[in-house]
Amino acid sequence: ILNVEQSPQSLHVQEGDSTNFTCSFPSSNFYALHWYRWETAKSPEALFVMTLNGDEKKKGRISATLNTKEGYSYLYIKGSQPEDSATYLCAFISGYSTLTFGKGTMLLVSP
Amino acid sequence: DGGITQSPKYLFRKEGQNVTLSCEQNLNHDAMYWYRQDPGQGLRLIYYSQIVNDFQKGDIAEGYSVSREKKESFPLTVTSAQKNPTAFYLCASSMGGAYNYGYTFGSGTRLTVV
Repeated sequence: ILNVEQSPQSLHVQEGDSTNFTCSFPSSNFYALHWYRWETAKSPEALFVMTLNGDEKKKGRISATLNTKEGYSYLYIKGSQPEDSATYLCAFISGYSTLTFGKGTMLLVSP
Repeated sequence: DGGITQSPKYLFRKEGQNVTLSCEQNLNHDAMYWYRQDPGQGLRLIYYSQIVNDFQKGDIAEGYSVSREKKESFPLTVTSAQKNPTAFYLCASSMGGAYNYGYTFGSGTRLTVV
């Protein structure tokens, strides 16, 4: 079973702060990296699917970068809002595995 | 609106009983998946199916069974052989492989063994 590490485990920021999280994954035989947002009492929602080294994706105030050679991805949130409060999951797939999820980073944004 | 429907939302089961969790999608997705979440752990794959009448074991398949008789439906049976069945179960689907397509998730079923 492959290991996907996310840090930090949790984060509490003030409205307007910018923040970022890290996802680390094995760098060999990389296929794709997914980011999901999971709000309380809702279903996880796909944010990004990243497949190429150097990929940068953006959706509103949220963006992500990918480094497959060193095995990490960053998720950035610019000007956090209370509605950004959620658990952010990353998931990795290689040629040897199905999608493997990290434990997530729980973000709380206070007004 | 298209989506995935999981039912029931909460389920209580007596020890020694089998129970089936429902997952239905109207997205015309080929692939469907079952995950389990336990406190402090990431989502773990139980079973997945990439095409009707075919499915594969995931990382924690012991004590579970599935069927895929229709494209829209992928029910999960938690058998009495599953030693620790109390958990939150999520069903997901995707258009194709996870290489290019994000997953669409249901809202989950929380199973409690009493």
